[in-house]
Amino acid sequence: QKEVEQNSGPLSVPEGAIASLNCTYSDRGSQSFFWYRQYSGKSPELIMFIYSNGDKEDGRFTAQLNKASQYVSLLIRDSQPSDSATYLCAVNQGGKLIFGQGTELSVKP
Amino acid sequence: DAMVIQNPRYQVTQFGKPVTLSCSQTLNHNVMYWYQQKSSQAPKLLFHYYDKDFNNEADTPDNFQSRRPNTSFCFLDIRSPGLGDAAMYLCATSITGPHQPQHFGDGTRLSIL
Repeated sequence: QKEVEQNSGPLSVPEGAIASLNCTYSDRGSQSFFWYRQYSGKSPELIMFIYSNGDKEDGRFTAQLNKASQYVSLLIRDSQPSDSATYLCAVNQGGKLIFGQGTELSVKP
Repeated sequence: DAMVIQNPRYQVTQFGKPVTLSCSQTLNHNVMYWYQQKSSQAPKLLFHYYDKDFNNEADTPDNFQSRRPNTSFCFLDIRSPGLGDAAMYLCATSITGPHQPQHFGDGTRLSIL
């Protein structure tokens, strides 16, 4: 069983829609959770991080964490073509980041 | 702006010829990481430093070595690159702590001829 799982996609949404990206993790002791955006050929860029159950909002982005279900998600409202990228979920386990495979998001104009 | 800088952005080397990638940071973070990322795969942690303490991942090949001469600089040495070592190499930094994010440099794309 993979430690951090994401649907690889591609996830295709129309411009202006809400994109929902999901991630599950296996280690119940995980304390913090990160979403990175990675454009093709570029390095990961931090979008959001969350460590308490519930929602955390930053502009068009909302991270949601449910530790009981071992589930973390990222919502992108009013999706733009510039949001088209791979989104990596990362979980802090013992000071190390464990990355999921990433979900490729495509926002169609 | 404080940042993580990797040099070079692109590196081409010959099969078996040693190569060194460099990373510098102005964030004054005490932890530095090296990752390898191949196409369509997640970044894979090779090793990291807590200050001067070196931590190697169990599955990192012996071919990969690292040096951290001071807080600001960290190097990745590949002693005898093979074709399978062609990848993007990412340097990241953070402050110690469970909720601290890692900040990545732009990466070095390594090609092996």
